[in-house]
Order: sequence, then structure tokens, then C-alpha cells
Amino acid sequence: AQRVTQPEKLLSVFKGAPVELKCNYSYSGSPELFWYVQYSRQRLQLLLRHISRESIKGFTADLNKGETSFHLKKPFAQEEDSAMYYCALRGTGRRALTFGSGTRLQVQP
Amino acid sequence: ETGVTQSPTHLIKTRGQQVTLRCSSQSGHNTVSWYQQALGQGPQFIFQYYREEENGRGNFPPRFSGLQFPNYSSELNVNALELDDSALYLCASSLDPQETQYFGPGTRLLVL
Repeated sequence: AQRVTQPEKLLSVFKGAPVELKCNYSYSGSPELFWYVQYSRQRLQLLLRHISRESIKGFTADLNKGETSFHLKKPFAQEEDSAMYYCALRGTGRRALTFGSGTRLQVQP
Repeated sequence: ETGVTQSPTHLIKTRGQQVTLRCSSQSGHNTVSWYQQALGQGPQFIFQYYREEENGRGNFPPRFSGLQFPNYSSELNVNALELDDSALYLCASSLDPQETQYFGPGTRLLVL
């Protein structure tokens, strides 16, 4: 079975501080990992996927197969980063995304 | 390019009733996936439709059923509604089953 765990329901930081949103997964094969973000009153949208190895809005995430983690990081948080963040996994050859329960990021001025 | 749209935005039903939710996929997308998001939880996969055929199903009972039409829009039907069916129902479309899923705004269903 595949599972995604986001241990923090809420993460509160000050503007300019570094941010790390944790995501751990369990899956026996080679998964695809994603981070989705939902800003207030907006729909869920893709932030980044591990196979792209890109940085979006200053966020990066590295897949660590040894630790089965895909933590989301940003060196300097901005107030506009305040949102709900979901980590998601898709197994090899599968259709469905398996989501974690989400972490709410609050960036205070 | 038009994004994924869903209707209605909100719905109130009573236990035992039936409901139909609708989703229009993004232009050029032939795959639609449905998710249920309970309060405080991440979305849970219900099923996926690809070129009008069911293409995978999550752990939901048969009273959750769906359709995909030739224009790739889709419906989610839930029969014999239960209180626990109260949730946000999300539809996502993609170019094909393995491509990035783009989500609609959701339909919030309340079962009384």
C-alpha cells in the first residue's frame, strides 16, 4: 500500500525565515512525488514534481529514496507563501494520486 | 484555454437521496479523475475515466459511480447518500492518465 505522511498540521514562521515542510512516504516501487498548493479561496494547483527538478516560486524539493522523504524547502519565506500545502505520490503505472493530510503554512510579517 | 470547471459549487441533500456532480475538463484533456476531500484531510481518489472508460478505482463502494462523455466531461453519481459523504468533491483533468492533473474548484456537498 502507498501512504503519504505530513507530520505537521501547521507551520508558522516569520517573513524571511527558512521553511521546510516535511513529507514522508511509503511505497515499495519508484514513485512520482508532487507538491500541490492551495492558496486562500483558490483551487488546488501543482507547485512542483520531483522529476522536473525545478524551482518554483523559490521552492525546491529533493526526493530522498533512502529516507523515503520529499521535503519542500524555501530559504526565505514570503507572506504570499501562506497557504495549504499537500504532498502527493503516484505509484509506477498507477493513475491515482495519494495525498497527505496537508500542512498549513502561515508566514507572519 | 479554459480550466477545469465543476457544478454546482454547493449542494445540500438529505440522507438516502442521490446526487450528480458535473465536471468539464480542460481543453484537450481526455482524462478525468475524481477525489473526495473530507474536512481536515487530503483528497482521496475515487476513480478515473479515460476516453469514456473507467480506468482505475479507489476504495469507494459501488454506490459511487461515474460517466465520461464523448467531449470528455464527466459526472460523479452517489446513490443512497450517507452523512459521511459530506465533503468537497474535486475533479481533475489531464492530457492522459500519466500526465499532470489539473484540479477544478470543487463541489461542496452537505448531507443532512
